[in-house]
Amino acid sequence: DQQVKQNSPSLSVQEGRISILNCDYTNSMFDYFLWYKKYPAEGPTFLISISSIKDKNEDGRFTVFLNKSAKHLSLHIVPSQPGDSAVYFCAASRQGAQKLVFGQGTRLTINP
Amino acid sequence: DVKVTQSSRYLVKRTGEKVFLECVQDMDHENMFWYRQDPGLGLRLIYFSYDVKMKEKGDIPEGYSVSREKKERFSLILESASTNQTSMYLCASSLVDSWYYGYTFGSGTRLTVV
Repeated sequence: DQQVKQNSPSLSVQEGRISILNCDYTNSMFDYFLWYKKYPAEGPTFLISISSIKDKNEDGRFTVFLNKSAKHLSLHIVPSQPGDSAVYFCAASRQGAQKLVFGQGTRLTINP
Repeated sequence: DVKVTQSSRYLVKRTGEKVFLECVQDMDHENMFWYRQDPGLGLRLIYFSYDVKMKEKGDIPEGYSVSREKKERFSLILESASTNQTSMYLCASSLVDSWYYGYTFGSGTRLTVV
């Protein structure tokens, strides 16, 4: 049972445009969400997070939006840069949990 | 700079061999995890440990075991390697409040079983 789903395996975006990566979840108990970025042959690195008490969190070019009623979150990257080409994982957790639940990942390619 | 270090970046092993993957963290984290990453399947949890000598099965523990004799070290053992265990293996560590702080990952070990 996949509790966190990233339905787009890949996404291709022109440099300078907006990249939007989507993530859906099924467990209404999740109340904290994180995005990780992974380059080939490296481990994932933390990018940005959001608590369920918020609907938006910004950090520079990265913004995460949370729609609790739809159980949906999205990561916006503006403007997209070639260095953003990577696999992006969303993850969810609930307060007190020791484990994160990850989605399948979306491979983002930024074209020059 | 805080780190999670995995002993090997690339490994090639033969079917039936016993394989040890080692992971060391220097952040005094309580929790340590082993994941495998496969295309289309994302990150799947094999085992995790929340204290020395303590362990819990994750989603796909079959064919694997783990050892945590010291707080900083968490080993993944493939008892008898099989070709379907060819994968990228990722170790991670976290504070007790994983739900808030998230994980720090190692660079991964690409294991090929032939």
